[in-house]
Amino acid sequence: GAGVSQSPSNKVTEKGKDVELRCDPISGHTALYWYRQSLGQGLEFLIYFQGNSAPDKSGLPSDRFSAERTGGSVSTLTIQRTQQEDSAVYLCASSPTGGRAPSTQYFGPGTRLTVL
Amino acid sequence: AQSVSQHNHHVILSEAASLELGCNYSYGGTVNLFWYVQYPGQHLQLLLKYFSGDPLVKGIKGFEAEFIKSKFSFNLRKPSVQWSDTAEYFCAVNADNNDMRFGAGTRLTVKP
Repeated sequence: GAGVSQSPSNKVTEKGKDVELRCDPISGHTALYWYRQSLGQGLEFLIYFQGNSAPDKSGLPSDRFSAERTGGSVSTLTIQRTQQEDSAVYLCASSPTGGRAPSTQYFGPGTRLTVL
Repeated sequence: AQSVSQHNHHVILSEAASLELGCNYSYGGTVNLFWYVQYPGQHLQLLLKYFSGDPLVKGIKGFEAEFIKSKFSFNLRKPSVQWSDTAEYFCAVNADNNDMRFGAGTRLTVKP
């Protein structure tokens, strides 16, 4: 079946602009995660959605970052007033089992964000 | 706070050489341990995981990893690498249902 998809695959933006990154999880997966991978760094947890519960936003680096998940499926990560340090690959993952650290996560291809 | 260290940034091997990629974590309690792999142009995917039981874990494509609690390590091994193993490998740890912590990754290049 279809895996996790993300769009756009690449995004170049100017400093100060807002960007929206989209994630379509695997159908039926209750949990959805956003991670950020900066150059030379490991994946950094950003936010976690479990079903219809309030998201765990503990990993968001600043209040310029926000995310929502509509209808328990598609998620959008929004970065307002982008800064150059926001440049990274943003990865989305979904899981059928949930939890902050599920036994199995399925990752999307990522969105490479470049802030000029 | 838990953290994960992968000491090798880039490893270059010839085909048929043996592989060992280091992973150490800092957390004294119960941990769940993972290795993920990202082949060129592909998604990150799970290679193997350890939750409990036999500390020697077998994964896909002939990979294995050994959890050594006393050394806080979960090194990845493969006795004979192939060109197709060229990829980036990430170790990850979670403890007490906290979020996953990933290492910075090790890039493996296998020369044919």
